[in-house]
Amino acid sequence: DVKVTQSSRYLVKRTGEKVFLECVQDMDHENMFWYRQDPGLGLRLIYFSYDVKMKEKGDIPEGYSVSREKKERFSLILESASTNQTSMYLCASSFQAGGGNIQYFGAGTRLSVL
Amino acid sequence: QKEVEQNSGPLSVPEGAIASLNCTYSDRGSQSFFWYRQYSGKSPELIMFIYSNGDKEDGRFTAQLNKASQYVSLLIRDSQPSDSATYLCAVRGLTGGGNKLTFGTGTQLKVEL
Repeated sequence: DVKVTQSSRYLVKRTGEKVFLECVQDMDHENMFWYRQDPGLGLRLIYFSYDVKMKEKGDIPEGYSVSREKKERFSLILESASTNQTSMYLCASSFQAGGGNIQYFGAGTRLSVL
Repeated sequence: QKEVEQNSGPLSVPEGAIASLNCTYSDRGSQSFFWYRQYSGKSPELIMFIYSNGDKEDGRFTAQLNKASQYVSLLIRDSQPSDSATYLCAVRGLTGGGNKLTFGTGTQLKVEL
């Protein structure tokens, strides 16, 4: 089974703190993704990476950065957390399969910024 | 116009009935189409994907794709209370090297006893 592991299920941080969200996958997937999910807005892509040290902006990259130093690990960084970054953060990874691009999700990190 | 549109619901169906979930998309170049199920407080899990026009069946689930109408649907036969969840439609286009998925906001399904 594919396993995508996010380091924390719940996180509480203060405004202005630097926050690291970690994601590890064990299936040797090339692609990794960070989303945030908010009620009524669905899943929105923040950043993704298709190879080590490679990254591309998603739809809402402002206020976030990412790091991919190893193939299995993809980190999301909030340089200076703000209250509007309170959300559920989901990491996913994928490979190419039969014309599809199946993304497998981690359990999610619910971040509260106070 | 949203890229991927779903009716937010809730869609209520009685146990044993067929649930029909619909999704429309705006990008005619879209390649593959996915249905994910998400239980409250959990992460999305893949149900099935489809990339050719027509029907694709997997157990109680059938995905239907009509590229001309830019429409994809998911049918759930013999609906069970355990099917109560939010169903996300996702579409893969050509942007991001074909690696990106665009998600709809989901349809909440309630299966009632």
